[in-house]
Formats: sequence, C-alpha cells, structure tokens
Amino acid sequence: DQQVKQNSPSLSVQEGRISILNCDYTNSMFDYFLWYKKYPAEGPTFLISISSIKDKNEDGRFTVFLNKSAKHLSLHIVPSQPGDSAVYFCAAGSNDYKLSFGAGTTVTVRA
Amino acid sequence: DARVTQTPRHKVTEMGQEVTMRCQPILGHNTVFWYRQTMMQGLELLAYFRNRAPLDDSGMPKDRFSAEMPDATLATLKIQPSEPRDSAVYFCASGSYRGQETQYFGPGTRLLVL
Repeated sequence: DQQVKQNSPSLSVQEGRISILNCDYTNSMFDYFLWYKKYPAEGPTFLISISSIKDKNEDGRFTVFLNKSAKHLSLHIVPSQPGDSAVYFCAAGSNDYKLSFGAGTTVTVRA
Repeated sequence: DARVTQTPRHKVTEMGQEVTMRCQPILGHNTVFWYRQTMMQGLELLAYFRNRAPLDDSGMPKDRFSAEMPDATLATLKIQPSEPRDSAVYFCASGSYRGQETQYFGPGTRLLVL
C-alpha cells in the first residue's frame, strides 16, 4: 500500500526554467516530509525537508511547499541546471523515524 | 567526511546461493535502515534497528531474509536462499534519532540473482 505517491515518473525541463515535482500522501500521521536526490550508481542524498507545521521551506534554488489539507507537497527548482538531472524521491515520516518513499521522478534538464 | 559504506557494491550470484550484504553506518548514528529499490515500488523499507536492537522487520520476507547488527559499526542483510526476484539495489541508511531527522544513505549493493 503506497502511502506516498509520485504520479509523474519523469519530467523534462529546459535549463533556466522552473522544475515542479509533485507528491501526494495518504497518511495524516506523517509530520515531516523530505526530498532526496539520486544520481545513477549512488545512494539518495538529502535535499530539503519541511515540517507539517510549515507550508513552505526554501533553500537556495529549492523550495518545498506543503498543502496539508490536500495531502500534497511539491518541490520547485528555480532555475533548473544540468546538474539537477537526477531521480527525485519524496519521503514522509512520523514519530517512529521510519520514512515512506515515493517511486521517484526522473528529471532531465535540457541545455 | 562521514559516509555510510556498503559492501559489496555489486553482486552476481546464482539462485539458491546465500548473499550477505554489509553496511557500516556513520559513527555515532544510533539508527540503521535497510531499503530495497525496485523499478515498480521505489524504495521499500525492509528493516531497521535502533541502538542495535531490531525495531521493525515487517518489510522483509521472513523465510529467506535476515538482518542483524553484530556491533554498532556493522549491519548485515542476508538472503538465503536467493531467488531471481531478489534482484534489486539494496541501500543501507543511518541516522540519529532526535525527531524529524534525515537519513544518510550508502551507495547501495546492486544484486543480480541468476
């Protein structure tokens, strides 16, 4: 039972434009959310997170938005760069420290 | 630069053979996780430990998979006997449980069971 869903398996965007990645969750007990980035042949690396008490968190070019009523979060990357080409995983956690991951979205930034 | 390390990075084996994957968590981290990445399911949690004690292994096929932490610097995941459907990338991650903390992933073990 997938509690975290990323419905877009892939996204292609032109360099300099905005990338928007979406994620939906079903479990209302999740109280924090994270985005991980993964390059081929490497493990996922932490990108940005947001607590359920916030609706926005920004870190440089990366902004995560949380809409709790819709059980939806999104990651905005502005501007997109070629090095952003990777698989992005959305994850959600609660007080047991376990994370539930989505299936990932492959982002390709075109020059 | 503290990192989670995993060995081997790649493993090819025949069906029925035992496979052992090892993980060295980041020094000082008290929680260790084992995940499996497949194309369809993304990252699935197999098991996790806190202070070397197993907390949850409900994601593992119990009849063939086992996970242990012999000491604070080593976590192991064993598959016996292995089957072709076990082919996947297995990740270890570690973290310090203080609430809403991120997990740090190793590079993974790519397993192919023929």
